[in-house]
Amino acid sequence: DAGVTQSPTHLIKTRGQQVTLRCSPKSGHDTVSWYQQALGQGPQFIFQYYEEEERQRGNFPDRFSGHQFPNYSSELNVNALLLGDSALYLCASSRGGQPDISFAEAFFGQGTRLTVV
Amino acid sequence: GIQVEQSPPDLILQEGANSTLRCNFSDSVNNLQWFHQNPWGQLINLFYIPSGTKQNGRLSATTVATERYSLLYISSSQTTDSGVYFCAVDDTGGFKTIFGAGTRLFVKA
Repeated sequence: DAGVTQSPTHLIKTRGQQVTLRCSPKSGHDTVSWYQQALGQGPQFIFQYYEEEERQRGNFPDRFSGHQFPNYSSELNVNALLLGDSALYLCASSRGGQPDISFAEAFFGQGTRLTVV
Repeated sequence: GIQVEQSPPDLILQEGANSTLRCNFSDSVNNLQWFHQNPWGQLINLFYIPSGTKQNGRLSATTVATERYSLLYISSSQTTDSGVYFCAVDDTGGFKTIFGAGTRLFVKA
């Protein structure tokens, strides 16, 4: 059983460019969440996708957008890259459902390390 | 929003020592997980523990949801235990997972 897979593992982009990161969830999972982790900090929630829709968003600008496909895989897009967008981007998958049902153990991919120069 | 505080922020142990890491949260939560982040950035699941006590080898965890804290115990520490330990919670009524700032553990040989 493949776990959560992310691609690419490393990426270097120039300020102002756009980037797309990809995530395939763990088998049996239908929910994908994205996180940004700056150096020395804990992961920060960007947004979560369930049933191909964004159902919650963290405190990130509209430059950060996403998509979920019918096979539950997901993309994170960042437009107009800034130097401050340099970080480790983590994808997590879980099983969906209502928020008060406690079965949503999340599993993380290995991350994509984005460097903006 | 919910706040998650972890302590201590940094911890240095001699190999073989025991330690307790703490996670306090400011409101009721649906889920609580402990992760170990290795030097390559991979978050490894340790425990999914919204309440109660679990053990896995040298590690164990206890969550007292009514008192809004969780503890991670590491016994007989090894150098491979080094890394950052994160506590993460899901706030009730939402789908947002909030991480603490982590405890950075270094185990000396």
